[in-house]
Amino acid sequence: DVVMTQSPLSLPVTLGQSASISCSSNHSLVARDGDTYLNWFHQRPGQSPRRLIYKVSNRDSGVPDRFSGSGSATDFTLTISRVEADDLGVYYCMQGLLWPLTFGRGTRLEIK
Amino acid sequence: QVQLVESGGGVVQPGKSLKLSCEVSGFSLSDYGVHWVRQAPGKGLEWLAVLSYDGRERHYSDSAKGRFTISRDISKNKLFLHLTSLGVEDTAVYFCAKLDIESDCWGQGTLVTVSS
Repeated sequence: DVVMTQSPLSLPVTLGQSASISCSSNHSLVARDGDTYLNWFHQRPGQSPRRLIYKVSNRDSGVPDRFSGSGSATDFTLTISRVEADDLGVYYCMQGLLWPLTFGRGTRLEIK
Repeated sequence: QVQLVESGGGVVQPGKSLKLSCEVSGFSLSDYGVHWVRQAPGKGLEWLAVLSYDGRERHYSDSAKGRFTISRDISKNKLFLHLTSLGVEDTAVYFCAKLDIESDCWGQGTLVTVSS
């Protein structure tokens, strides 16, 4: 199975500042079609997850442009600029290339 | 409007079985694959299984393989996850989710508690 490793597991931030979360995989996530199947999800306490980013850097509908994804092959980053209170919660990366799909352990974004 | 609603959770004894349902609306199961994902209390997300839109492909995680079975009834717009040989480690909220390039949509989850 593809192992997804996130860091840090906890990220204290000051509102208004930027935050970055790293995710690495032990297998390239580049498909034969040339696309890279790496997604980012956000889960607020007590809520269902919601996808923010698909294929490394594509924002889902309604996701603010403060959220950006970058990276290639095995190393990826989610960057949140101007962190707001609504951004708090847990962020997960997930590879969508190989079965079984696998998530990272999650990064908890919290107020410093 | 796309919507997924899980049901069927509850308290079950170790070794027993349970069948979860996911009723979908706003799309057809014959057009999109739907996944099951679970989350143990205070833990992260764990992908479990998917059934393809054409019903030809089923994929499972290692923890689900051999014990869980995904199925569907298109006429009822329902996806199922049959859980067998349940252990305390299977205690979790079980979500169904439509995850595709166009959009994602998750249900609210149904809680399964395995306890004697």
